[in-house]
Amino acid sequence: GENVEQHPSTLSVQEGDSAVIKCTYSDSASNYFPWYKQELGKRPQLIIDIRSNVGEKKDQRIAVTLNKTAKHFSLHITETQPEDSAVYFCAASRWSSASKIIFGSGTRLSIRP
Amino acid sequence: NAGVTQTPKFRILKIGQSMTLQCTQDMNHNYMYWYRQDPGMGLKLIYYSVGAGITDKGEVPNGYNVSRSTTEDFPLRLELAAPSQTSVYFCASSSGGQETQYFGPGTRLLVL
Repeated sequence: GENVEQHPSTLSVQEGDSAVIKCTYSDSASNYFPWYKQELGKRPQLIIDIRSNVGEKKDQRIAVTLNKTAKHFSLHITETQPEDSAVYFCAASRWSSASKIIFGSGTRLSIRP
Repeated sequence: NAGVTQTPKFRILKIGQSMTLQCTQDMNHNYMYWYRQDPGMGLKLIYYSVGAGITDKGEVPNGYNVSRSTTEDFPLRLELAAPSQTSVYFCASSSGGQETQYFGPGTRLLVL
């Protein structure tokens, strides 16, 4: 069945450095790729998403890249700050089928002061 | 707007008991979802609905049932609770299948 693999499972970076989280997906029909951030004890919240008609999207310190040929996409956080510490989930879905929203297993990002 | 609300926040069930997790949204969203999140794990889709009167199974529907009689409400029913159903349950809603999902605060369920 469809699967989304996410790496690494944990990531620790120095404050101010960059962090990169990578995901691969198995369903070649996937065309929507959101990223959610979940702070400890809180609900997941969308931080950025990308659709298959673009290769990159940026929003301030956050960017997502998509390689449809290789079926992988990545989240890039630059100039990391303490408030970036959280669990990040990637996800993939295909159009018109909500049941195909598949989440990765998550990456716990820790920012060292 | 309150967004997505869930009740209860926390519940302890004995094996074999039943309960209903409530979810309500006030954003007039057609799409609603139920996920479970096991400790240290990702989100698994249990059931979803694309509108009142329409529901469908997600990845892990066994042991659960849902109904969608109104746009606002999407309750999740657990019959014959089992320890494997110990988890945090999140309800979410969105305006479309590939639009931002807004999550509720979650219900922490412990089955003993």
